[in-house]
Amino acid sequence: QLQLQESGPGLVKPSETLSLTCTVSGGSISSSSYYWGWIRQPPGKGLEWIGSIYYSGSTYYNPSLKSRVTISVDTSKNQFSLKLSSVTAADTAVYYCARAIPGIAVAGTQYFDYWGQGTLVTVSS
Amino acid sequence: EIVMTQSPATLSVSPGERATLSCRASQSVSSNLAWYQQKPGQAPRLLIYGASTRATGIPARFSGSGSGTEFTLTISSLQSEDFAVYYCQQYNNWPPNTFGQGTKLEIK
Repeated sequence: QLQLQESGPGLVKPSETLSLTCTVSGGSISSSSYYWGWIRQPPGKGLEWIGSIYYSGSTYYNPSLKSRVTISVDTSKNQFSLKLSSVTAADTAVYYCARAIPGIAVAGTQYFDYWGQGTLVTVSS
Repeated sequence: EIVMTQSPATLSVSPGERATLSCRASQSVSSNLAWYQQKPGQAPRLLIYGASTRATGIPARFSGSGSGTEFTLTISSLQSEDFAVYYCQQYNNWPPNTFGQGTKLEIK
């Protein structure tokens, strides 16, 4: 059974960089069939896709966050990571990692079939 | 950007009854639409993709329909474990992977 687990600091100061890692177990991150994505959910609000990465390193980012986001992959550790720079209180959210099934219509379109449990990141001084 | 609008925001239904949830896209997303269920404190769970295909392990009481801009998630004979928040998500257009704001399904 595929499992994903987020890890990283739960508290980040304003203007600093949020860093999270997702460890994949029960399957290989190097599968040619999937992307690996990050989605976030502010407390009490809806879901927002942040970006996704292929095992080769190819990435897609939400245009609204693109200037601040970097997603990377480490196939040797079966992990992928998120960095979000210059954070503000508006970036406070539960951050989920997920396996992404590519759509066929437009490059970068995906839906998400396996999710991590999520990790709350609070931006506060 | 495609806007996904879900209605109603809250739906009150009695156990054993049918629930019908709606999702409207601001422009056509063909059949590239997914539905998710989220319970408090849990990650979303994929229910439906391709507008009408149930994901692995999803009970047959969950069904999806629609194409283009109008979509429906139907839950026949609601069970206690079905009361949750439901999200739709389009994966057809750029910017991609946009979600609706959610419908809360509560016990009447």
